[in-house]
Amino acid sequence: DGGITQSPKYLFRKEGQNVTLSCEQNLNHDAMYWYRQDPGQGLRLIYYSQIVNDFQKGDIAEGYSVSREKKESFPLTVTSAQKNPTAFYLCASSIGRGNTIYFGEGSWLTVV
Amino acid sequence: AQTVTQSQPEMSVQEAETVTLSCTYDTSENNYYLFWYKQPPSRQMILVIRQEAYKQQNATENRFSVNFQKAAKSFSLKISDSQLGDTAMYFCAFIEYSGAGSYQLTFGKGTKLSVIP
Repeated sequence: DGGITQSPKYLFRKEGQNVTLSCEQNLNHDAMYWYRQDPGQGLRLIYYSQIVNDFQKGDIAEGYSVSREKKESFPLTVTSAQKNPTAFYLCASSIGRGNTIYFGEGSWLTVV
Repeated sequence: AQTVTQSQPEMSVQEAETVTLSCTYDTSENNYYLFWYKQPPSRQMILVIRQEAYKQQNATENRFSVNFQKAAKSFSLKISDSQLGDTAMYFCAFIEYSGAGSYQLTFGKGTKLSVIP
């Protein structure tokens, strides 16, 4: 089945550690996105990528990094520089301009 | 900067009744797309309905329809014959295109809808 797979579903991190959230899609979509969702908030864009080997910062990119070495993959690293990383993270993809954005099932990150 | 406003943080509706969720947005662009997404307790974001700004006809998907008022920058969602499975957070969102060819999806803060048996 085509879709977007995020892993892990739940992740616990100690303060000062970097963690990487995986996002893989087999929809042959060009564009991929990472969003963060906090309680009582909508989704806020962290990074997006329209093509392989290219990505742009979103509204809240500080403390995060991404790579786009393959069309199918867009991993997100939450670095120790992110001061408040506990949140729900959603990966998404779309064919391109104007097309519907589809989401993965999300990953919960908790800092302990 | 583009903004999306959902003025109703929470709403409730009796099963089988009709409910309307409101959304307003702000943009200086003429080329954009509007969406309603549903997020049930599982947290999966599910597309409910999509509207192209250049189309005057309101989009409809089964029990879901929109009232798109472009001049007023309003995009409300009507749910008819509400079902228990409609209980979820509903997010209004839109994509606008900049002159540089980039685009991004902007979300409102959501409306929590509860369907009461």
